[in-house]
Amino acid sequence: SQTIHQWPATLVQPVGSPLSLECTVEGTSNPNLYWYRQAAGRGLQLLFYSVGIGQISSEVPQNLSASRPQDRQFILSSKKLLLSDSGFYLCAWAKKRDRTLEAFFGQGTRLTVV
Amino acid sequence: GNSVTQMEGPVTLSEEAFLTINCTYTATGYPSLFWYVQYPGEGLQLLLKATKADDKGSNKGFEATYRKETTSFHLEKGSVQVSDSAVYFCALTSPGSTLGRLYFGRGTQLTVWP
Repeated sequence: SQTIHQWPATLVQPVGSPLSLECTVEGTSNPNLYWYRQAAGRGLQLLFYSVGIGQISSEVPQNLSASRPQDRQFILSSKKLLLSDSGFYLCAWAKKRDRTLEAFFGQGTRLTVV
Repeated sequence: GNSVTQMEGPVTLSEEAFLTINCTYTATGYPSLFWYVQYPGEGLQLLLKATKADDKGSNKGFEATYRKETTSFHLEKGSVQVSDSAVYFCALTSPGSTLGRLYFGRGTQLTVWP
């Protein structure tokens, strides 16, 4: 069976510090991978998606970047965090099931920038 | 473009009450529709889905019917339990999408009291 791991679960970082969130998927190959953010009082926003190693697409301009150094590894980074980067970050992967692509989410990382 | 409009919360109910959370969407063609649930401190879990018009998704006593004529996918449960307290997200993927990108509503917080 497939599983997705995301860490850390919580993180408190000062403004201007770097960020690295990691996500790995097990039990599948060449998955579509995604980073979503859930800001307080708002819905989920897609930040990045990747359809293969080294292939990253960004949905919105921002202070963050993503990389996919291995097939089942997806990393979210920032060189200098802003207060507005606070939120709940979710990694996800998708597979085809019942004529549609179904997404599976990690447990999330609660990031607080202080 | 694609978008999802979801009933604003929070929703507070007594145990065994009837639940409806409204969801309407905008999309061209026939998107796939989903309801995800987020329990406190956790990531998202797929609750149910429907991939074509008039399909009914169901799981754990929850149901939602894909209504093309009203572009709706309302979530219902006949008798809620305290354990149903969570945030519920309505979402869609574009018809024929190979990316699996999800468009989410803002989420509805449900609290059930004993």
